[in-house]
Amino acid sequence: ETVLTQSPGTLSLSPGERATLSCRASQSVRSGYLAWYQQKPGQAPRLLIYDASNRATGIPDRFSGSGSGSDFTLTVSRLEPEDFAVYYCHHYGTSPPTFGQGTKVEIK
Amino acid sequence: EVQLLESGGGLVQPGGSLRLSCAASGFTFSTYAMSWVRQAPGKGLEWVSAICGSCGSAYYADSVKGRFTISRDNSKNTLYLQMNSLRAEDTAVYYCAKGGVDRAPWAWYFDLWGRGTLVTVSS
Repeated sequence: ETVLTQSPGTLSLSPGERATLSCRASQSVRSGYLAWYQQKPGQAPRLLIYDASNRATGIPDRFSGSGSGSDFTLTVSRLEPEDFAVYYCHHYGTSPPTFGQGTKVEIK
Repeated sequence: EVQLLESGGGLVQPGGSLRLSCAASGFTFSTYAMSWVRQAPGKGLEWVSAICGSCGSAYYADSVKGRFTISRDNSKNTLYLQMNSLRAEDTAVYYCAKGGVDRAPWAWYFDLWGRGTLVTVSS
């Protein structure tokens, strides 16, 4: 099983700042099959990025994904008030697919 | 409107059974792989099971293998999760999630999620 480790656990930033979230896999993720989701309290996760770097439909271009192999990054170029949430990475390259433990982006 | 709507959650005693349903609308349900993903209270996401669109193949996390069964009725646009021998650690919000086509059903990101249904296993 591929273990995904996200860092940091919590990121304290102000609106307008840049957020950089990391997701490291215990083994190389096949074909870059790595997604990022945003989850707000009481809501279902929302797909942001798939296949490591492709923005999902309707996602603002301040969200970007990068990386390959076992190291991936989600960047939010300028945080908007609605971006404060928990973010999860998810690999789907091998079975079983797994999720990282999440990074909480909170208002500083 | 494209949506997924789960139902069937509730309180059940350890060792009991429950069947979850997920009604799909707004897309060609039979084409897409579907999954169940759960989230224990205050915890992260855990993939539970996946099934292909119409091939019948199903896959499970080790934590539920032999206890849970995923199925679908494409004529009713509905996904199911039969949960038997429930344990306290199965307590979670269960989400159904839409995958894609033409790959193994677990090999997809999830571009559509339901709101979830809460399953509580407690005596």
